Amino acid sequence: AQSVTQLDSHVSVSEGTPVLLRCNYSSSYSPSLFWYVQHPNKGLQLLLKYTSAATLVKGINGFEAEFKKSETSFHLTKPSAHMSDAAEYFCVARSSNTGKLIFGQGTTLQVKP
Amino acid sequence: DTEVTQTPKHLVMGMTNKKSLKCEQHMGHRAMYWYKQKAKKPPELMFVYSYEKLSINESVPSRFSPECPNSSLLNLHLHALQPEDSALYLCASSQVSQGRWTDTQYFGPGTRLTVL
Repeated sequence: AQSVTQLDSHVSVSEGTPVLLRCNYSSSYSPSLFWYVQHPNKGLQLLLKYTSAATLVKGINGFEAEFKKSETSFHLTKPSAHMSDAAEYFCVARSSNTGKLIFGQGTTLQVKP
Repeated sequence: DTEVTQTPKHLVMGMTNKKSLKCEQHMGHRAMYWYKQKAKKPPELMFVYSYEKLSINESVPSRFSPECPNSSLLNLHLHALQPEDSALYLCASSQVSQGRWTDTQYFGPGTRLTVL
């Protein structure tokens, strides 16, 4: 069965420093992968998606993610954190069998001034 | 425009009440979804509609009754809920590709439901 593992439940960075949110997936072949962000008491906003066109995916708000098949990873990065980036981030895969979304458990990003 | 709207934003109801949640999208998407999200957890799929027909019911209790009156609207009718049903209810929509509702999902802001 496919699964998504977010390696950190909580990440804290200072404003202006780089952000790295780690995600590993398990799949026998390249999946469709997404990163969503959820600000407090809000819905999920799509940051970026990987669908095999390019391994480095650029998203909104300066975020990007790199798909590494050999490492089964899809880590999310941003060169410089902003206070408004503080939120919950979900790494999500789409099941190749059912089409359903498989969510990681989420990573809370804290940005300190 | 990738907007999915949901009303109301907040809802408080008693265990004997009947209420409805509403979701609307005007992106021409033919798949719509209901998710339930408890605090500090990822969303859990409840229902999927494809071309206004129910495709998936994830064994949701009958006190939750979905309805898709047209391609832009999705309702969730609530009756005799329990306090443990208190959660954020999210609606999402997506294109249908090659007959499958497997395209990128766009989420609404959610309805925060409290059952007393």
